[in-house]
Amino acid sequence: EPEVTQTPSHQVTQMGQEVILRCVPISNHLYFYWYRQILGQKVEFLVSFYNNEISEKSEIFDDQFSVERPDGSNFTLKIRSTKLEDSAMYFCASSGQGYNGYTFGSGTRLTVV
Amino acid sequence: AQRVTQPEKLLSVFKGAPVELKCNYSYSGSPELFWYVQYSRQRLQLLLRHISRESIKGFTADLNKGETSFHLKKPFAQEEDSAMYYCALHFSGGYNKLIFGAGTRLAVHP
Repeated sequence: EPEVTQTPSHQVTQMGQEVILRCVPISNHLYFYWYRQILGQKVEFLVSFYNNEISEKSEIFDDQFSVERPDGSNFTLKIRSTKLEDSAMYFCASSGQGYNGYTFGSGTRLTVV
Repeated sequence: AQRVTQPEKLLSVFKGAPVELKCNYSYSGSPELFWYVQYSRQRLQLLLRHISRESIKGFTADLNKGETSFHLKKPFAQEEDSAMYYCALHFSGGYNKLIFGAGTRLAVHP
């Protein structure tokens, strides 16, 4: 069964540093997403991406965040200057045309120290 | 506003007991609802979608538009069912955005 792949599985970074979280969605999917889950809290929508542009973003997704699909296979989330409160599990997901449910990646645990 | 409510943070039962994980939603359009499961340290996995009316791993969920509910049920819980369960609303007005409930941890004891 096709999978969404995320790397790294765990990233530790110092406050103020830039991080890039990487995702390889399922190859024939058209919609791509990032969600995050702060420890002990609910899964929160960050951003959706379709046709090479952001289609929707949440209030959380401020100017420190950006997404890119640089080469037609990878889908990246960049946090420009990390804050302590960015520590969370970040999930990438993708879905196809005629929505039947997302496929989630296994997540990247980001720890900002 | 679109909202998904899971009132119980933790549901603790013994093996073989019936389980009902509650989910209520608020959405003015025609809802599409899902249950996702997250086993310890694993990815979110789609468990059920209301459209398909299927039973997966013995779980079922019926959409009740009158009560705006989509409760997840299983007649006889197994220890391997222990996990976090998330109810999610597919909000098609936002390019397939999913809105998640806070989740319920199901703990099944031997």
